[in-house]
Amino acid sequence: AQSVTQLDSQVPVFEEAPVELRCNYSSSVSVYLFWYVQYPNQGLQLLLKYLSGSTLVKGINGFEAEFNKSQTSFHLRKPSVHISDTAEYFCAVRGSNYKLTFGKGTLLTVNP
Amino acid sequence: KAGVTQTPRYLIKTRGQQVTLSCSPISGHRSVSWYQQTPGQGLQFLFEYFSETQRNKGNFPGRFSGRQFSNSRSEMNVSTLELGDSALYLCASSPSGTSGGMNTGELFFGEGSRLTVL
Repeated sequence: AQSVTQLDSQVPVFEEAPVELRCNYSSSVSVYLFWYVQYPNQGLQLLLKYLSGSTLVKGINGFEAEFNKSQTSFHLRKPSVHISDTAEYFCAVRGSNYKLTFGKGTLLTVNP
Repeated sequence: KAGVTQTPRYLIKTRGQQVTLSCSPISGHRSVSWYQQTPGQGLQFLFEYFSETQRNKGNFPGRFSGRQFSNSRSEMNVSTLELGDSALYLCASSPSGTSGGMNTGELFFGEGSRLTVL
């Protein structure tokens, strides 16, 4: 069975500061990992995904994530955040039945 | 290409009633999954349909049911509504099945149907 742990439920930061949202996973099958973002009153939108190859994955809106197999982590980073990045972020892992399992989410709040 | 469309976007029901939510996947996508999202429980998987068959099911009571039509459109139904069923119900489609091709599991989400039970 697969599981995802997002270590922080809320992360407040100031505008233009760097941010890291942490995600650890467990999976018994080949690892496909995803980060999704959810803006208020909207569905989830894919930020980036790791399928294979380079462990550093770049996504939309300046976000990137690094796959670390030894630490079973897939942390999301952005060097300089904007007010518009305020949203909830979900880490997900593909399971044995091709079903995505999501973490509980991290609410990123960017303050001026 | 049109995205995943969910209707209705908002609805209010009372306890004991039933509700049907509709989802139209991205054209060509054959898999449709449903999730319930609440502040306390986060995203919880309800079920997945592929080619009109339920392929995966989460841990929800039998009051929650779904179906998929030949054109891949899907509906979910909740009977005998309870206050705790108030949630955002998200539908997501996926392009491929379990056999053949590369199935990454990537999901494309609709904007959700927000159900309030009074």
